[in-house]
This record gives sequence, structure tokens and C-alpha cells, in this order.
Amino acid sequence: RKEVEQDPGPFNVPEGATVAFNCTYSNSASQSFFWYRQDCRKEPKLLMSVYSSGNEDGRFTAQLNRASQYISLLIRDSKLSDSATYLCVIMEYGNKLVFGAGTILRVKS
Amino acid sequence: ETGVTQTPRHLVMGMTNKKSLKCEQHLGHNAMYWYKQSAKKPLELMFVYSLEERVENNSVPSRFSPECPNSSHLFLHLHTLQPEDSALYLCASSHLGLAGGGEQFFGPGTRLTVL
Repeated sequence: RKEVEQDPGPFNVPEGATVAFNCTYSNSASQSFFWYRQDCRKEPKLLMSVYSSGNEDGRFTAQLNRASQYISLLIRDSKLSDSATYLCVIMEYGNKLVFGAGTILRVKS
Repeated sequence: ETGVTQTPRHLVMGMTNKKSLKCEQHLGHNAMYWYKQSAKKPLELMFVYSLEERVENNSVPSRFSPECPNSSHLFLHLHTLQPEDSALYLCASSHLGLAGGGEQFFGPGTRLTVL
């Protein structure tokens, strides 16, 4: 079983749509959780951290369910500029980050 | 603009060559990392340096040899590589010890092709 599993997509959505990505992780001792974004041929960049209470940053909402070992990212009112690969990332002991393979989002006009 | 730079951006080498990748961070961080990113695979952590000491070697073949001379610089020395080593090699840095730490800042990567 992969440590971090994501649906690879691609998710093809029209502008203005709401889209949700899911991620599951296998290590119940994982300490922290993040979503990173990686544009084509660019390096990954932190999008947002994920907290048990859920957190929101503008059009982006992240949720964590520790009992189910499940993380989600919701994007509302999708923009063309949201097209990218979204990486689910967990942090294990020793600040070691474990990355999922990513979910591809394509927003089309 | 990223505070982490990598050179070269592209590298083509034969299996008998020796080359080095360089990474420099200007963020005052105390940890640096090498990752490998192959097509359609997750980023794979290769090495971690914390306070210039190697703290993680993720079962990486000995043909990859890291070096961290100071907290701002990280090298990856390559020798007798195989074609399957062709990938994007990403360097990252972070500040360990901060509450909520986990954000790593990545360089633009070196696209390596082994012929």
C-alpha cells in the first residue's frame, strides 16, 4: 500500500466549478498535513496546511479526518490559473515529508 | 522568487561521466534536502541534512554522493549513473524546530538525462 494515495486525475472542469480532491495516508502516526501545488515544469510550492478543525484560505478549503486517515481539498469558483498538479503531503517524525503522486487539475474556459 | 537556486538547470551525461549538482539557499534555513522526481511518480526523498549533518539516507545507491559544506550549500555528486536515473532532481530547504514547521522551499530543479 502506498504511503500517500491520490486519484491522479486529470480532473477537467469549467471555470467557476467547484472541485474536490481526496487523499488517504497509511501512517497513523503522521504528524502534520499539507497540500502543495506544482505547476507544469516548476517546483512544488506550499498551498496550505491542513488542520483537524478544517481551514480555509480564500477559495480553498482543506479538511483532515484523522480517524479515517483522509485529507481533502476543495476549490470553489475555479480559475484558469488553478490548473496545476496538487500534491497531498504528510509529515512524519523528524520533519520528513512524504508526497503523494499528485492530482492533475485542468480548468477550461 | 524562490530563495533556493540550483545549477545546472539541465544536464545530459554519459554513464561513465562524473558531474555535480549544486544547490544554494538564501533563506537562513538549517535543513536541506535532495529529492528525485520521475514521471508520474511521487517525489522521493533521497537525503536530508540538518545543521550540516546527514540525518537521512533513503536507501539511495552509492553512485549518488551528497555533500553539505555549510548550511547554505548542498551538492549531489554523480558518477557511473544509469539511464533509469534520468529524472528531475529537486533541492529544498526548511527551518527545523519551528512549531508548525513543514514548509519546504524548493529550487527549480535540475533536469538530468543519462545516456
